[in-house]
Amino acid sequence: KNQVEQSPQSLIILEGKNCTLQCNYTVSPFSNLRWYKQDTGRGPVSLTIMTFSENTKSNGRYTATLDADTKQSSLHITASQLSDSASYICVVSAGSGGYQKVTFGTGTKLQVIP
Amino acid sequence: DTEVTQTPKHLVMGMTNKKSLKCEQHMGHRAMYWYKQKAKKPPELMFVYSYEKLSINESVPSRFSPECPNSSLLNLHLHALQPEDSALYLCASSQGGTGNNEQFFGPGTRLTVL
Repeated sequence: KNQVEQSPQSLIILEGKNCTLQCNYTVSPFSNLRWYKQDTGRGPVSLTIMTFSENTKSNGRYTATLDADTKQSSLHITASQLSDSASYICVVSAGSGGYQKVTFGTGTKLQVIP
Repeated sequence: DTEVTQTPKHLVMGMTNKKSLKCEQHMGHRAMYWYKQKAKKPPELMFVYSYEKLSINESVPSRFSPECPNSSLLNLHLHALQPEDSALYLCASSQGGTGNNEQFFGPGTRLTVL
């Protein structure tokens, strides 16, 4: 069964600090992994997408890493801002060709406080 | 235009009402999706339309009826809903119908069933 687990479930950090969110998956065959940011009551917004051959990808203050051997990904947020407060969801696609099964993680709720 | 729009933003309905949720995109995407998201849970896939044809129905009850009038529009018709159907309903679109295409999400419709 395809599964995507994220940790921690929730996190509170001070503004300006860095943090790292984790994603472990047991999806096969792996196609790609995305990190989304979701504000409360809003739709998810894509931050990064990574394929099997990519180890690191950055989008501003967000840096995602992928270790396809250990089936782990992380999202590092640098110099956090109050607007970073949101849920961060790891989404993994499995399969090859045709429609690929997409599995959502349970998310990490991040709160950045002044 | 890189946006997925959804109307209405909020909807309150009784169990005997008939209502519709609407989703629109003008990015030329050929796949559109409906998701249901309960509080503190990841989105759950309901339906996938690929090239205006229903390609995936994740065993959704018949009180939810999707419709794709054209490549830019996706509707979700609601009838005889239950209070447990209250949730955030998200629409998404992607360039193709495979999971390796990035999905762009709309802001969602917050549905409350009384």
